[in-house]
Amino acid sequence: EVQLVQSGAEVKKPGESLRISCKGSGYSFTSYWISWVRQMPGKGLEWMGRIDPSDSYTNYSPSFQGHVTISADKSISTAYLQWSSLKASDTAMYYCARLDTAIGYDPWGQGTLVTVSS
Amino acid sequence: EIVLTQSPGTLSLSPGERATLSCRASQSVSSSYLAWYQQKPGQAPRLLIYGASSRATGIPDRFSGSGSGTDFTLTISRLEPEDFAVYYCQQYGSSRFGGGTKVEIK
Repeated sequence: EVQLVQSGAEVKKPGESLRISCKGSGYSFTSYWISWVRQMPGKGLEWMGRIDPSDSYTNYSPSFQGHVTISADKSISTAYLQWSSLKASDTAMYYCARLDTAIGYDPWGQGTLVTVSS
Repeated sequence: EIVLTQSPGTLSLSPGERATLSCRASQSVSSSYLAWYQQKPGQAPRLLIYGASSRATGIPDRFSGSGSGTDFTLTISRLEPEDFAVYYCQQYGSSRFGGGTKVEIK
């Protein structure tokens, strides 16, 4: 079964750093891009950026460029999303998803809820 | 930058009725890269339709997609209770999502 499993919920304070993860299984991890998608409370889906795990090449949405870093460790089939200094406005659910250029984003991870509060 | 506009924002219908959801692109997009996703409360999105009109694995045939150029449609022929959810279109070449349509029980 092809699946993406994300790390658990996080509660952080403003200014703290954070890295969340997305582990792929059931397929060749280096054959598909992994994207990250933000969903703020009660809002829609926002594409943040993506990574090619085969060479760690990344694309970012202009809205998120410079605010987050996407990386991957192909040896353990895991992609990461990280912040160096969190803000309250980073409070959201974050999803990873596999990009299959033939069909779109499938599957999705279960989501990681990040709460930033003082 | 491609902008996808979904309408209506909310659709209030009864089980058994037909739902028609619209996704309009700000410029012509390849139908090969137009997808629809379903998201239920507390769940991750799920791929429904890809290539504008192909159903993803395991998706019931009451879901259908159509369209080309700038206008795309998702149709649910007869709403089942489990179909009440939010639906998003996406041009997965650019990765942009539409704002979503909520299908709620009338």
